[in-house]
Amino acid sequence: EAQVTQNPRYLITVTGKKLTVTCSQNMNHEYMSWYRQDPGLGLRQIYYSMNVEVTDKGDVPEGYKVSRKEKRNFPLILESPSPNQTSLYFCASSLATQGIYADTQYFGPGTRLTVL
Amino acid sequence: ILNVEQSPQSLHVQEGDSTNFTCSFPSSNFYALHWYRWETAKSPEALFVMTLNGDEKKKGRISATLNTKEGYSYLYIKGSQPEDSATYLCAFRGYSSASKIIFGSGTRLSIRP
Repeated sequence: EAQVTQNPRYLITVTGKKLTVTCSQNMNHEYMSWYRQDPGLGLRQIYYSMNVEVTDKGDVPEGYKVSRKEKRNFPLILESPSPNQTSLYFCASSLATQGIYADTQYFGPGTRLTVL
Repeated sequence: ILNVEQSPQSLHVQEGDSTNFTCSFPSSNFYALHWYRWETAKSPEALFVMTLNGDEKKKGRISATLNTKEGYSYLYIKGSQPEDSATYLCAFRGYSSASKIIFGSGTRLSIRP
């Protein structure tokens, strides 16, 4: 089944304790992206990747890192989480071959993160 | 910072009524506009991708139009059903940075039986 998976789905952690949220897709998509969703603010893009080893900042990259060593995986790293990073996080991917970005994004199930 | 605005923020509609809502985006530098449907406790699901001025897309009772010259898109739902209750998101891509995507804050639609 074609899908985007995220792990963990729920995480409660404490300030300063490094964590990684994994994202994996099995559709051979070139484009992958991370979003956070906060009440009243819609989805905001954190980082995105156009292909392996190619990443760029979205609108709210502060406090996050990403890597794209393989096409299927795009982990989100919080080196020193803070309470203002408590949010619902979504990973998404799309085909985007030949630099064409007007195609459908497929979203993972979301990760609800609480930083105490 | 590019602004993508959706209105209204929320909408309550009687079952069977038709409704529509708006997504406004920068009229210059247009590349693509996406519409997503997002049900509570689920992930956003794609409805439409629109790229050309005057585009009209349809999927069952839901349709969308696009005006890139004036910077808006309408989403229409005909004969609303309870299963249409969801948040509807639009997302804009600008030509100068098509790989980056800006979402509106959504219109939350509730259908009263």
